[in-house]
Amino acid sequence: QQQVKQSPQSLIVQKGGISIINCAYENTAFDYFPWYQQFPGKGPALLIAIRPDVSEKKEGRFTISFNKSAKQFSLHIMDSQPGDSATYFCAAGPGGYQKVTFGTGTKLQVIP
Amino acid sequence: EPEVTQTPSHQVTQMGQEVILRCVPISNHLYFYWYRQILGQKVEFLVSFYNNEISEKSEIFDDQFSVERPDGSNFTLKIRSTKLEDSAMYFCASILQLRQETQYFGPGTRLLVL
Repeated sequence: QQQVKQSPQSLIVQKGGISIINCAYENTAFDYFPWYQQFPGKGPALLIAIRPDVSEKKEGRFTISFNKSAKQFSLHIMDSQPGDSATYFCAAGPGGYQKVTFGTGTKLQVIP
Repeated sequence: EPEVTQTPSHQVTQMGQEVILRCVPISNHLYFYWYRQILGQKVEFLVSFYNNEISEKSEIFDDQFSVERPDGSNFTLKIRSTKLEDSAMYFCASILQLRQETQYFGPGTRLLVL
């Protein structure tokens, strides 16, 4: 019930392409869905987050799409750049101060 | 920009030894967390802490683990008798207030138990 499944495990995208990472959750009590970006040797940093009252949220080149009925959400990175190369984690939680459950991570490599 | 800091960045210890990992959350934050990440795996919740007591803990956080906020600024994680499987990156995180969801993570402490 607490799991968050993430795919793919790794992704190679050409510069300028679209990177797409997918996640699925089971717990219907989850109400907050953040994406974290992690560079080697650093802690996760919040990239963008969504709540289930909207189906899409866009911030710059990053877009979250959310499908509440399917219990799935995805991150799209438009015009991917080499500087986007990092590990991306989706997460989900009840919201507020409560813990988030992380997905297994996607290692993205953007090649020039 | 204020940030969460953690010390040490790396810690090597012998199995059975006690370790204390230190975190300084962002100064006006109220809610604190420890997470860990075994190499190549996902980030796992260990414990959350508010108002000087544990709010929630995972099944990983057994009697060998304890947390403390001894002086109003530091937030520590103690592992009493380390095991090989405690080798991981340990992240501290904090949030500003109970209704604010953005968790700010520190850079982590890499713990290696030999």
